[in-house]
Amino acid sequence: DVKVTQSSRYLVKRTGEKVFLECVQDMDHENMFWYRQDPGLGLRLIYFSYDVKMKEKGDIPEGYSVSREKKERFSLILESASTNQTSMYLCASRTTDRGTDTQYFGPGTRLTVL
Amino acid sequence: SQQGEEDPQALSIQEGENATMNCSYKTSINNLQWYRQNSGRGLVHLILIRSNEREKHSGRLRVTLDTSKKSSSLLITASRAADTASYFCATDGQGAQKLVFGQGTRLTINP
Repeated sequence: DVKVTQSSRYLVKRTGEKVFLECVQDMDHENMFWYRQDPGLGLRLIYFSYDVKMKEKGDIPEGYSVSREKKERFSLILESASTNQTSMYLCASRTTDRGTDTQYFGPGTRLTVL
Repeated sequence: SQQGEEDPQALSIQEGENATMNCSYKTSINNLQWYRQNSGRGLVHLILIRSNEREKHSGRLRVTLDTSKKSSSLLITASRAADTASYFCATDGQGAQKLVFGQGTRLTINP
């Protein structure tokens, strides 16, 4: 079974803090994704990475950056957390094997910024 | 830009009844997927239907796809309390690596 893990289930930070959200997958997937999920807005793509050291902006990248130094790990960074970044953050991974488009999700990190 | 739109936003039925959820999308796709999310958890992939398929089954799940209407439906037969969750459709643009998710349908199965 594919396993995607996220470093924290719940996180509370203060405005202005630098926040790191870590995601690790164990299936040697090339693609990894960060989403945020808010009531009434569904899942919105923040950033994705199609390979090591490769990244591409999603729909809402402002206020976020990412790092992919190793294939299994994809980090989301909030350089200076703000209250409007309080949300559920979901990481996902996907293989690029032909005919396989399924994304595998981690359990999510619920971040509260005070 | 939002691709998938689910309908209804919320659905409450009795255990044993069938549940039908619909998804509409805007542009051409390679495939459409359905995911389930239990409260406060990550999403779990349920089923994928390709653009050249019209219907697909997996256990108690039945998915249909009408590319002329740009719509899909997910039917859960003989619902159980454990089916209580939010259900999302997700589409990919042709050649795109990323998925676009709808806002989801919150399904509640009453015992």
